[in-house]
This record gives sequence, structure tokens and C-alpha cells, in this order.
Amino acid sequence: DSGVTQTPKHLITATGQRVTLRCSPRSGDLSVYWYQQSLDQGLQFLIQYYNGEERAKGNILERFSAQQFPDLHSELNLSSLELGDSALYFCASSVGPSGGAETQYFGPGTRLLVL
Amino acid sequence: AQKVTQAQTEISVVEKEDVTLDCVYETRDTTYYLFWYKQPPSGELVFLIRRNSFDEQNEISGRYSWNFQKSTSSFNFTITASQVVDSAVYFCALSEAPSGGSYIPTFGRGTSLIVHP
Repeated sequence: DSGVTQTPKHLITATGQRVTLRCSPRSGDLSVYWYQQSLDQGLQFLIQYYNGEERAKGNILERFSAQQFPDLHSELNLSSLELGDSALYFCASSVGPSGGAETQYFGPGTRLLVL
Repeated sequence: AQKVTQAQTEISVVEKEDVTLDCVYETRDTTYYLFWYKQPPSGELVFLIRRNSFDEQNEISGRYSWNFQKSTSSFNFTITASQVVDSAVYFCALSEAPSGGSYIPTFGRGTSLIVHP
């Protein structure tokens, strides 16, 4: 158990809908990262937040947005969903702001299926 | 061109065999980080090792060992005396800091290791 929690575990929705994925980092970690894992694209970095502020952006679509709250949990919002958004979405956390230079601990993931 | 190449899509071995998973990376940065992660059938990503570009010492942790060679841009992972529990997808990742900002990780496509009893 990495200490990172994600809810929900599974999510089934329809095209055009909007969903919110939630992540709680390990105790003491200030950075939260979001990743997408799909068969087509593999494992891709989406975005990083550090202590409430956006720190780094990867291949995140404009239809997707994220935020980190004062209690450090984070939410990833996916809107106008398309079939191709079906994937496993991971959250990870680390202590500091340095992103991929640090050891990141991954949550169990949220499996999203868009029908 | 891929920044992280894991040319072996799938490897199948019998228990107790040694197995090496290859990882070749591409970067122009002098400071970067390399990682290996394990993704068992349960789906969670498990951190295995982190190595910075200035530390070329090989590392051993139990049955796991890593060989980092900057001259060939490779960071290979060897499992000695493989066990069925080692069956998983293994990912190699490279983290670079474009424009001196936060480090962005790029993952390879993964190598699926199947260990047969």
C-alpha cells in the first residue's frame, strides 16, 4: 500500500459526460501528479500540482482540468468525454516540487470506461 | 524518436531463470533521472529504483540489480532466480527538466514479464 488513495476505483459513463476523479496524497507529500495509461498512448504524465499551485503540465487535453485543494487532495475533471478517454488514471504523490526528479508513489488508479 | 525504448514487449521465462529487461533512453540533458516501476496484474505501479545521471554505480537489491551505462544510454534491469511473483509489466522512465523547470517523466511502453512455474 503506497498511502495514496484514489476514488472511485471504477467509473462507467457515456460520451459527452463529465466526471471527477479524486486523489489523496501520502501524508506529508505536497505534490500530486496525474497520469493516464491507455493501450494507445501508454503511460503519460498529465499534470503536477505542488502545494495548491500548478507546477508542470504534460499531455493534458483542454477538456481536462485539475486542481489541488488546501488539504492537498486533488481532483481531475474530465469533460466532454470521448471513447478514446477510456483509460486507467493514476494519481501519484511526492514530498517536494521537483516533479519527475523525485520518487513518486502511485495510487491504485481509477479505471474509466466511456461508452 | 522515442525517448525511452523498451524493445522487449514480452519476455517469458521459467522460474529460477535470470532475466534482463532492457531500457535505452535518449536525452540531451546532463542532469536527468531514471526510474523503474513494476505493474503487477493488480494494476498498481510500484516504485523499484531511482537513479540520477551522475551516479553510474550499479545497484543490487536482493534478487534485483540495475546496470546504468551512460556511454550506451542504457539502464538495464536484471532479476536473478526469477519467481512467479515477478510476473508483471515493468516500466522504465526518464525524467528531464525542459527549460530548467520541473522534471517531466517519460515512460517506456513497458516489458511484460511472464514467469512460469
